[in-house]
Amino acid sequence: EVQLLESGGGLVQPGGSLRLSCAASGFAFSSYAMSWVRQAPGKGLEWVSVISGSGGTTYYADSVEGRFAISRDNSKNTLSLQMNSLRAEDTAVYYCAKGAQLAPRSCFDYWGQGTLVAVSS
Amino acid sequence: DIQMTQAPSTLPASVGDRVTITCRASQSINSWLAWYQQKPGKAPRLLIYKASSLESGVPSRFSGSGSGTEFTLTISVLQPDDFATYYCQHYNSWTFGQGTKVEI
Repeated sequence: EVQLLESGGGLVQPGGSLRLSCAASGFAFSSYAMSWVRQAPGKGLEWVSVISGSGGTTYYADSVEGRFAISRDNSKNTLSLQMNSLRAEDTAVYYCAKGAQLAPRSCFDYWGQGTLVAVSS
Repeated sequence: DIQMTQAPSTLPASVGDRVTITCRASQSINSWLAWYQQKPGKAPRLLIYKASSLESGVPSRFSGSGSGTEFTLTISVLQPDDFATYYCQHYNSWTFGQGTKVEI
């Protein structure tokens, strides 16, 4: 059974940093692209970032480019998102999502339950 | 950038209804379109990929169609469990539509 478990969310001040993690199990982790998708309170889904199965290719939404960094450790089946220079508009539930294939440009067939990031002073 | 626009934003419906949601792309996206269902407080669930392929385990009352710039998600006979918000996604650019809430 595929499982994705996010952690690391919490309350952070504007300008601060936070690192999210996603522990994956139940599938060949290195064979699939992985993404982060967020959802602000009461709003729709916004894709944040994707990383290929090997970790060699990454893409970011314009809204987070230069502030967030996605990475993965295939030896530990773990996906991470380092978030720096956080802003109030980054407040959201952050979901870890498994790509349906190795390449980054794929839909998401499994999702974690999400972790809440709140940016406020 | 490709924009994805869903209509309507809210869809009043009743159990047993046939429901259709539309998703339009600002330019041709071939068939690189997925549909997701999301219930309050829950993660999204993949329903349809490649515009019309049903994800494993999804009931056959869900179907998708279209190509190019116009796509539809149809629920043939709405069930109580189907009241939720539905999102389309162009997955070559990872862009989501704004969502359609199917409500009573």
